[in-house]
Amino acid sequence: GAGVSQSPSNKVTEKGKDVELRCDPISGHTALYWYRQSLGQGLEFLIYFQGNSAPDKSGLPSDRFSAERTGGSVSTLTIQRTQQEDSAVYLCASSLFGTSTDTQYFGPGTRLTVL
Amino acid sequence: AQSVTQLDSHVSVSEGTPVLLRCNYSSSYSPSLFWYVQHPNKGLQLLLKYTSAATLVKGINGFEAEFKKSETSFHLTKPSAHMSDAAEYFCVVSARGGGADGLTFGKGTHLIIQP
Repeated sequence: GAGVSQSPSNKVTEKGKDVELRCDPISGHTALYWYRQSLGQGLEFLIYFQGNSAPDKSGLPSDRFSAERTGGSVSTLTIQRTQQEDSAVYLCASSLFGTSTDTQYFGPGTRLTVL
Repeated sequence: AQSVTQLDSHVSVSEGTPVLLRCNYSSSYSPSLFWYVQHPNKGLQLLLKYTSAATLVKGINGFEAEFKKSETSFHLTKPSAHMSDAAEYFCVVSARGGGADGLTFGKGTHLIIQP
């Protein structure tokens, strides 16, 4: 079956612009996760959805970052007023139940470059 | 709270020789532990996971890992390295009790295979 897909694969934007990153999880997976992979910070957890709800948003780096999930499926991560330090690969993952023993399946990522 | 320490940022072995990638963890709860691999410009792929069943876990491509609670370790091994094993490897911990914290990643070990 289809895996986790993300779009766009690459995004170049100018400092101060808003960007939207999209994630399509594996069909039937109730849990969805966003991570950021950057050279300086490694892989960081950003936010987790169970269904359409995000129980914990404390991983988001600033209030410029927001995320939503609709219909228990597609999720968008929005970064407002982008800064150069936002440049990174943004990874999405999904899992069947969202428990700690579940395998998370990762998408290929969106590479964001802020000029 | 949980954390993961990958003891080597780079490991270089000759093709056909054993591989050892070291990982230590700390967790307030009984952890689930994972090893993921990331090939250049590819997504993260699960190699294996430990979820409190057998302490010796076998994964894909001949890799295995042993959970040692007394040493808080989860080292990854392979008897004979292949050129295709060259990649970045991440040791990952997930706290039992829920997925709200997402996964905590180690900083990665870059595995180099010498011909």
